[in-house]
Amino acid sequence: QTVVTQEPSLTVSPGGTVTLTCASNTGAVTSGYNPHWFQQKPGQAPRALIYSTSNKFSWTPARFSGSLLGGKAALTLSGVQPEDEAEYYCLLSYGGAWVFGGGTKLTVL
Amino acid sequence: QVQLQESGPGLVNPSGTLSLTCAVSDSINNNDWWSWIRQPPGKGLEWIGEMSHGGGMNFNPSLKSRVTISVDKSKNQISLSLNSVTAADTAIYYCVKNFGAWGQGTLVTVSS
Repeated sequence: QTVVTQEPSLTVSPGGTVTLTCASNTGAVTSGYNPHWFQQKPGQAPRALIYSTSNKFSWTPARFSGSLLGGKAALTLSGVQPEDEAEYYCLLSYGGAWVFGGGTKLTVL
Repeated sequence: QVQLQESGPGLVNPSGTLSLTCAVSDSINNNDWWSWIRQPPGKGLEWIGEMSHGGGMNFNPSLKSRVTISVDKSKNQISLSLNSVTAADTAIYYCVKNFGAWGQGTLVTVSS
């Protein structure tokens, strides 16, 4: 069974930098896994932030960036704002099937 | 940006069929991929499956035997059917275009 793993929770101070990661139990995550990242705030639908590892949507704030880091997909927030407090999900492709990570609850404190 | 609106019964009987539709504000193109994604209350996201009007389709292996997705270009509509439902299928169901545009979601409860 394919399992995608994210940090369950992270805490960051306003103005700080934090990196969220996304790992696969099948091995190192590469661009071929077509990593996507989503943000979800309570009571809202998820919002897409990053596609194909590092590409941003027109609405994605500049402080969000995607990359591959140490065999994982990564989402880095630089200059964190209070409104960035949310749940973040990654999504990976496995030859036509997609699998979400369990999500990372980011607290800005 | 495209608007997506899910609709359908909010309550389905166990062993019955869950049927949802998604109204799309823009024209449907062959190259777009339409997914259904669900989220049980208080839990994470689960990809159900995807389809393109061009004919491509992929499904979550754990749900594949129970899922049908269709794309109706003439009605600008995407549909989801999930049969033999149980309480475990209770979730908010989202219609998604190319993973970029999401509907607001619709809660479906499986209960008698």
